[in-house]
Amino acid sequence: ETGVTQSPTHLIKTRGQQVTLRCSSQSGHNTVSWYQQALGQGPQFIFQYYREEENGRGNFPPRFSGLQFPNYSSELNVNALELDDSALYLCASSYAGDTDTQYFGPGTRLTVL
Amino acid sequence: AQSVTQLDSQVPVFEEAPVELRCNYSSSVSVYLFWYVQYPNQGLQLLLKYLSGSTLVESINGFEAEFNKSQTSFHLRKPSVHISDTAEYFCAVRGFQKLVFGTGTRLLVSP
Repeated sequence: ETGVTQSPTHLIKTRGQQVTLRCSSQSGHNTVSWYQQALGQGPQFIFQYYREEENGRGNFPPRFSGLQFPNYSSELNVNALELDDSALYLCASSYAGDTDTQYFGPGTRLTVL
Repeated sequence: AQSVTQLDSQVPVFEEAPVELRCNYSSSVSVYLFWYVQYPNQGLQLLLKYLSGSTLVESINGFEAEFNKSQTSFHLRKPSVHISDTAEYFCAVRGFQKLVFGTGTRLLVSP
């Protein structure tokens, strides 16, 4: 049990729609990262937020965006969904005292039809 | 840029047998290495990590990994596996503000 929760657990959308995924980190974890894990692949870094600002981004288009809130929760928003966006989306949090240890949530499985 | 290669997509093994999951990395900066385990329908759990110091690192459940700079490897080993070790194992290297993962190795332990 990492203390990181994500909602919803599963989601089905159609191409072109928009989706919001949510993550709740442990108290004191002021850094949150989002990863996309396609079937049979390792997680791919989407972006990282620190103190409510984006401070690192992977090779994902601007239609992937995020928010981080003062209560250690965060969101991943994806606009104009494509079939290839179907994946498990993981959030991971860490605190300033140990940034090398990331605590992962159970993930949200998104299916785009 | 950092990258990780896990050559074995699947490793079948019998219970109580030893196992080695291979990981090779590429990094142009200081090397921080990790092994994560993912059980079915769950997120990733940190198994062990190498940041500096002793090249042999151990986890609480009997796994160990050795950092080998000359061979750019960080193989995961366990002398005797259990059925409950069946899972997907991911090797990762620390990049700039992110983890770079390999494609994973599925460990299948059978009785």
